[in-house]
Amino acid sequence: GAGVSQSPRYKVAKRGQDVALRCDPISGHVSLFWYQQALGQGPEFLTYFQNEAQLDKSGLPSDRFFAERPEGSVSTLKIQRTQQEDSAVYLCASSITQANYGYTFGSGTRLTVV
Amino acid sequence: DQQVKQNSPSLSVQEGRISILNCDYTNSMFDYFLWYKKYPAEGPTFLISISSIKDKNEDGRFTVFLNKSAKHLSLHIVPSQPGDSAVYFCAAGGSGSARQLTFGSGTQLTVLP
Repeated sequence: GAGVSQSPRYKVAKRGQDVALRCDPISGHVSLFWYQQALGQGPEFLTYFQNEAQLDKSGLPSDRFFAERPEGSVSTLKIQRTQQEDSAVYLCASSITQANYGYTFGSGTRLTVV
Repeated sequence: DQQVKQNSPSLSVQEGRISILNCDYTNSMFDYFLWYKKYPAEGPTFLISISSIKDKNEDGRFTVFLNKSAKHLSLHIVPSQPGDSAVYFCAAGGSGSARQLTFGSGTQLTVLP
């Protein structure tokens, strides 16, 4: 597609529920990133894929967070047993090469845990 | 510990005047710096970048200045236009890393007509 597509745009989850957030990167983009943006803050790095390989997951806040990109295109960020502190906008970004910092972000998924 | 800081949460300027947004960083391993612009309900959009081997980069109305000794960068917008009203994020990356970026907390720019 023309841009990075994320779904759903909004998600309300009850505390303890599992959620799955989807990212469709720009076709052909090698690198894919997930960021978490809390209210009033800048995005914070969660994890990075190069094709299907997850090369860096140092930003995932706990083992309740899991990301995958099995075929090197679509990626899913899964959060198990959601907590209120997980409420944030989750941003996905992609770039055409590994070397490119100026990546393209999607519009994000706003997760609210109640 | 915030490695990238934007100390001004907001800035208002008149249309046609210069907007100057500031950013400070603490990690000397950062060697690439970027500015992103964000409208409500959209993701950040890449605006302009600068490598640590330069001290200035220009793109149309946007210029980024880097002062490595002071660990400070700034974004100048001249002339400012109402459509420039958005949140501006400063971001930094380090060579050899997984291309992750460290972002500041953003500055809301309002350009008044």
